[in-house]
Amino acid sequence: EPEVTQTPSHQVTQMGQEVILRCVPISNHLYFYWYRQILGQKVEFLVSFYNNEISEKSEIFDDQFSVERPDGSNFTLKIRSTKLEDSAMYFCASSLDSANEQFFGPGTRLTVL
Amino acid sequence: QKEVEQNSGPLSVPEGAIASLNCTYSDRGSQSFFWYRQYSGKSPELIMSIYSNGDKEDGRFTAQLNKASQYVSLLIRDSQPSDSATYLCAVPSSGGYQKVTFGTGTKLQVIP
Repeated sequence: EPEVTQTPSHQVTQMGQEVILRCVPISNHLYFYWYRQILGQKVEFLVSFYNNEISEKSEIFDDQFSVERPDGSNFTLKIRSTKLEDSAMYFCASSLDSANEQFFGPGTRLTVL
Repeated sequence: QKEVEQNSGPLSVPEGAIASLNCTYSDRGSQSFFWYRQYSGKSPELIMSIYSNGDKEDGRFTAQLNKASQYVSLLIRDSQPSDSATYLCAVPSSGGYQKVTFGTGTKLQVIP
């Protein structure tokens, strides 16, 4: 069964460093998403991406964040200058259509020291 | 700000009983509704979607939707210890459907 994959599973970085989180969505899906979940809190929408551009973003997704689909399979989230409060699980998801169910990857645990 | 509200629990039920999980939402224009299950330290796993008023059954799971009351629920019949997890209600926005708002989740504990 096709699934969303994410790498790395755990990323540790120093405050102020740049990190890139990688995702491979399900191959025939057209819509891609990033979410984050701070420990003990709810899943929060960050951004959606369709047709090589951002289609929606939340107030969390500020200038420190960017997304890219560098090739036909990968979808990345870059955090330019990490802060302590960026420590969280980051989930990538994809869906076939905008109204369809979103399927989540296993997540990347980001720890900012 | 679109809101999705859930009772955080924990909801404790004995093995074999019916677990009833509830969710209310504020966006009147929402058209689709999803239930995800999340085990501790894992990612959300889709278990049910519902788009129309009424009931939708899939195995031991039944989703119920009442758009007039802005209420969606999930029933789990014959609850098993393996059902112990946090259940997340997720509601896409009415604008473009892509921004999904999650509730805080209800923690379910099934007691053997």
